[in-house]
Amino acid sequence: DVKVTQSSRYLVKRTGEKVFLECVQDMDHENMFWYRQDPGLGLRLIYFSYDVKMKEKGDIPEGYSVSREKKERFSLILESASTNQTSMYLCASQFGGALHFGNGTRLTVT
Amino acid sequence: GQQLNQSPQSMFIQEGEDVSMNCTSSSIFNTWLWYKQDPGEGPVLLIALYKAGELTSNGRLTAQFGITRKDSFLNISASIPSDVGIYFCAGQRSGGSNYKLTFGKGTLLTVNP
Repeated sequence: DVKVTQSSRYLVKRTGEKVFLECVQDMDHENMFWYRQDPGLGLRLIYFSYDVKMKEKGDIPEGYSVSREKKERFSLILESASTNQTSMYLCASQFGGALHFGNGTRLTVT
Repeated sequence: GQQLNQSPQSMFIQEGEDVSMNCTSSSIFNTWLWYKQDPGEGPVLLIALYKAGELTSNGRLTAQFGITRKDSFLNISASIPSDVGIYFCAGQRSGGSNYKLTFGKGTLLTVNP
C-alpha cells in the first residue's frame, strides 16, 4: 500500500509566522501535490512537483512556496502566515494517474 | 480551475438502501477516479477507471466510466453505517502522469441505521 505521511495532524500558528508543512511518501513516486480543502470550495491545487527540484504552480500558489530536495519529501511553506490560510492541507503522491493522499494537516492561523 | 459537476450534493438514506451518485463535465477525461473522505482524514482512493465504458467493482462499490468520456457514476449497494462520508469524483485529461486532477465538490452521504 502507498503510504503518504504528513508530519502534523494539527497546527496552530500566529499571523506572520513562517510555517513548514512536511510530506513524505514511501513509493518512489515522481509526482507530488499540495492541496488545500475548504468548505464549499472543494480541493484546490496549490503546487505540484514532477521531479526533484522541479515544481509548478497550481491554481492558488499566492502566499505559498514549496521545496523538493529529495524525491520522497515535498514541503509546503507559508512565508508569512495569514488568517485566510487557515485550512485543511492535503499532500498527495501520484502513480498511474491516481492520487494517494496523506491524512491532512489542519492548520489554524490566529 | 475547472470543477466537475457532482450530484447530488448530499444524500440521507436508510441502512440497506442502494446509493447512486455521478459526475459530469463538458470536457473529455481519460481517467476517472472515485475517493471517499472520512471526517478529519485524507481522501482514500476507492476505484480508478481508465477506459471509456469500463465498469469496475470494489466490494459493494461499482463505478463506471461513461461512454462519452464526460461522465462517471458510482453506486453503493446495501449501504451500511460506515459508508458515511464524503465521496469525490476526479478526472484527469491527459493519459500521462504529469497532469493535474479536476475534482468534484463531493457528495455527503449519511446513512441512518
